[in-house]
Amino acid sequence: DIVLTQTPLSSPVTLGQPASISCTSSQSLVHSDGNTYLSWLQQKPGQPPRLIIYKISNRFSGVPDRFSGSGAGTDFTLKISKVEAEDVGVYYCMQAKQWPLTFGGGTKVEIK
Amino acid sequence: QLQLQESGPGLVKPSETLSLSCTVSGDSFSSTIYHWGWIRQPPGKGLEWIGSIHCTGTTYYNPSLKSRVTISVDTSKNQFSLQLNSVTAADTAVYYCARQATSSSSRYFDYWGQGTLVTVSS
Repeated sequence: DIVLTQTPLSSPVTLGQPASISCTSSQSLVHSDGNTYLSWLQQKPGQPPRLIIYKISNRFSGVPDRFSGSGAGTDFTLKISKVEAEDVGVYYCMQAKQWPLTFGGGTKVEIK
Repeated sequence: QLQLQESGPGLVKPSETLSLSCTVSGDSFSSTIYHWGWIRQPPGKGLEWIGSIHCTGTTYYNPSLKSRVTISVDTSKNQFSLQLNSVTAADTAVYYCARQATSSSSRYFDYWGQGTLVTVSS
């Protein structure tokens, strides 16, 4: 199974400041079709997860452009350029390169 | 707008079978570019993929649960279902159903149900 390790576990951020979350995979997430199926989900308290980024850097429909994804191979990053109060929650990376699908352990973004 | 809704008992006794259904409203249920998945989240913990099913009936399961899990689909009702046998307290979690895009260029969970809490207790 592919193991995804997220850091940090928690990220206290001042409103308007940037936040960055890392996701490291135990093996390359490059599929034989050339795509890298790494996505990011946001989960606000009491809500189901919501897709925000897919294939490393593509923002899903309706996601603000302050969210961006980058990376390649085994190392990926989610960045929030200027954190807003509504961004509070837990963020998960997920790989869909191969079965079984796996998630990172989650990173909690909170306001200082 | 696609909607998914989980349904089933909120309380299951240890050693018994957990059974949930997910009803999908919208027109994508029989599309071959989607799988339909179950994901769970124990209280205060992270997400765990349980398994996924295609409208043709092809299934994929998490090896850690494979011996106890069955996912089935009923395209006539736009529903897919989860059965988890021999449950213990460790199976207490919020169970989500979700649509999984699996085209040649897109693989992600894009629509989720609200989730249903299932507690295993006598």
